[in-house]
Amino acid sequence: GDSVTQMEGPVTLSEEAFLTINCTYTATGYPSLFWYVQYPGEGLQLLLKATKADDKGSNKGFEATYRKETTSFHLEKGSVQVSDSAVYFCALTLTGGGNKLTFGTGTQLKVEL
Amino acid sequence: GAGVSQSPSNKVTEKGKDVELRCDPISGHTALYWYRQSLGQGLEFLIYFQGNSAPDKSGLPSDRFSAERTGGSVSTLTIQRTQQEDSAVYLCASSSPYQETQYFGPGTRLLVL
Repeated sequence: GDSVTQMEGPVTLSEEAFLTINCTYTATGYPSLFWYVQYPGEGLQLLLKATKADDKGSNKGFEATYRKETTSFHLEKGSVQVSDSAVYFCALTLTGGGNKLTFGTGTQLKVEL
Repeated sequence: GAGVSQSPSNKVTEKGKDVELRCDPISGHTALYWYRQSLGQGLEFLIYFQGNSAPDKSGLPSDRFSAERTGGSVSTLTIQRTQQEDSAVYLCASSSPYQETQYFGPGTRLLVL
């Protein structure tokens, strides 16, 4: 079945450090890929997405590139801030709409001054 | 515009009682999803509605769980004879007919004593 594997957390970084959170997937067909973020005490929010191979999703300084050859969608940010502290979820859904999201286990990020 | 809303935000119940959780999707969103977020299982899909029909119920964990949607809008998730392992945050999401991005509500935190 379809699955998403994320790097284990928690990840602790100093402010302005470079962030990478690894995500790989297994899917039948051609999935769309997403990163969702959950800030403390808040609901899940879409951070960015990519719907086909080589697409790059970006938002709030975060980027992720859909790599079909390595079945990966790693999340990166060049300079993290304390306000980026949250849990990040990688997810996929099969194209065509109306399909469930399959989530990774989530990676907690803590950014310290 | 208004986002996805869920009620109640918190629910404490005794083992064996029935509970009903409500979801109001974004206006015009024909697709509605229920997920469950728990410590041991991460984020799990429960059920998907397209309009008032549920073409995918594959994530419902037992026959104690049921859901309905009326008028293509509000949905209710019912858990009968609750068990302690039902304790989790129940999330609702909706999406429009024209895009696959799902927008999440704040969740209902259920605690079964």
